[in-house]
Amino acid sequence: DGGITQSPKYLFRKEGQNVTLSCEQNLNHDAMYWYRQDPGQGLRLIYYSQIVNDFQKGDIAEGYSVSREKKESFPLTVTSAQKNPTAFYLCASSNPGQGLNEQFFGPGTRLTVL
Amino acid sequence: AQSVAQPEDQVNVAEGNPLTVKCTYSVSGNPYLFWYVQYPNRGLQFLLKYITGDNLVKGSYGFEAEFNKSQTSFHLKKPSALVSDSALYFCALRNSGGYQKVTFGTGTKLQVIP
Repeated sequence: DGGITQSPKYLFRKEGQNVTLSCEQNLNHDAMYWYRQDPGQGLRLIYYSQIVNDFQKGDIAEGYSVSREKKESFPLTVTSAQKNPTAFYLCASSNPGQGLNEQFFGPGTRLTVL
Repeated sequence: AQSVAQPEDQVNVAEGNPLTVKCTYSVSGNPYLFWYVQYPNRGLQFLLKYITGDNLVKGSYGFEAEFNKSQTSFHLKKPSALVSDSALYFCALRNSGGYQKVTFGTGTKLQVIP
């Protein structure tokens, strides 16, 4: 998991609350990603950012928001509009411009709605 | 549209025996293919990738994968399985043009039996 940190490791949310998941990388990567992992469904892309101040919706962006104000940081907010937010959330980064096509992943945040 | 299929939810193999985890893909254009491994409650770790060149790719921890264009497959292999190889394995596909969207398979749980 080196180079990418996610916090907190575990997060509990009450219904109706917004929560923000942190993702920081010190790999100097341009691209960053947020995935949601549910059992038996693999990884599904929520949002991605190819460069600072730019981001795009992935396959399941509804109920989520992001920002990319700094190259190192890509926080994800899970809003109250997300109806089923309990899942394992993974942040990743890559640098396709340098041929580093593979993604580097953080350790994940497990979000549980109470 | 691009897709990745991992047809086996779980693979069981005896320690010391060869293992194969299957992956097939569909994409227009040239594929970039990856294998990642995930241990419980952790992020994904990169194992190996195929971009171009030799169809047999060698990666971390003694794993290798064979790219077969005619069968659109990228199966992960290891000559002799270790108990410590027990984990969840993901195949991933990236297209070669434009924004490099990555599609993950649903994962295969590998259980190595002592």
